[in-house]
Parts: sequence; C-alpha cells; structure tokens
Amino acid sequence: TQLLEQSPQFLSIQEGENLTVYCNSSSVFSSLQWYRQEPGEGPVLLVTVVTGGEVKKLKRLTFQFGDARKDSSLHITAAQTGDTGLYLCAGPGTYGGSQGNLIFGKGTKLSVKP
Amino acid sequence: EPEVTQTPSHQVTQMGQEVILRCVPISNHLYFYWYRQILGQKVEFLVSFYNNEISEKSEIFDDQFSVERPDGSNFTLKIRSTKLEDSAMYFCASSRQPYGYTFGSGTRLTVV
Repeated sequence: TQLLEQSPQFLSIQEGENLTVYCNSSSVFSSLQWYRQEPGEGPVLLVTVVTGGEVKKLKRLTFQFGDARKDSSLHITAAQTGDTGLYLCAGPGTYGGSQGNLIFGKGTKLSVKP
Repeated sequence: EPEVTQTPSHQVTQMGQEVILRCVPISNHLYFYWYRQILGQKVEFLVSFYNNEISEKSEIFDDQFSVERPDGSNFTLKIRSTKLEDSAMYFCASSRQPYGYTFGSGTRLTVV
C-alpha cells in the first residue's frame, strides 16, 4: 500500500523564520505534487516535481524531490503570515490504471504568527 | 484564472436520502475527478472520469455512488442512499492531462 507520511503534523513559527516540512514514503513515486489548502477550500497546486534530485523554486518556497524519488521537502524562507495553511503532498496512486488519481498525505498545518 | 465551480457549497441531508453534488469543470479539461475529505483526515480519491466513462475508482466508490457528465459541461456525483459516514467535504477536480489538477472549493455534505 502506498503511503505518504508528512512531518511535522503541526508547525507554529514567527514571521521571518525559515522552516522545512517533509513528505516521506517507502514507495517510489514517478512524481510528487505539493498543494496548499486553506480552511473550507480545495487544495491549490503549488508545484510538481518529477526527476529524482530535482529542486524547484517558487518565490520563497523551495521544493526538492529525493534522489530515490521516495521523499520530498518544502522549505520556506522568511515565512510570512500569508503562508499560513495546510501543506499537502500527493503522488500518483494506483487503482489499476494511470488516469491521474492521487494519494495524499495528511498534511502539515503551518501557522505563521506576526 | 479559470475555476472549477461546485454547487452547493453546503448540503444537509437526512440519512437514506439521495444527494447530487454538482461540478462545472474547466471547459477545455479532459479528466475529471471526485475526492472527499472527512474532517481531520486525508483527501481521498473516489473516482476519475475520462472520455465519458469511469477510468478508475477506489474501494470507497461502491454501488451507492455514481457519476455523470450529462451535458458536456456539468459533472455530477450522486450518492443514492446517504449514510452518516458519508459526511465529508467533496471536491471535484479537472485537468487537461493526468495529474495537473485544479480543484473546486468543495461541497460540505452533512448527513443527519
């Protein structure tokens, strides 16, 4: 069974601090995606990483895909209150096909205090 | 920015009743999905739909569930006889190719 474990589950930091959250699996994934979800809203895609070792940057957010494609990290530099939210990682699941279903981790709930 | 639109945003229904959750995917998208998220739990895949038929479904998507694309724009999820454990946020998503999703804002279903 494919599982994505995210850590930490909760993170509360002050504005301006740096942080890293993790997404780990014992399974190899062809790609991983990171989403951010606000309360009462659907997840919003931030990035997709595809190649082992790949690093992608989105302003102050840096995403890395592990060399073995079993893990990924999200690093935020100089966090702002607007970064508050639930960060989810997701990867292709398998229900007998390849039509795009995803499995999700439980997420890291980030709170950035002013 | 194109959006996936879901209606209603909230639905309260009696146990045993049928509900239909509606979604308008992005117009040039080809793949359509339903996911659910029980409060405090993971987002879970229900079903994917491509070329006017179900392409994949999870074990959650049993005979009580069905999907339709009745008119080329709407994409619906029907639950025939709701149970208390069906209470969740239901998210519709669409994409032009597998995995490049845009999610809707969800329908909160409460079964009482």
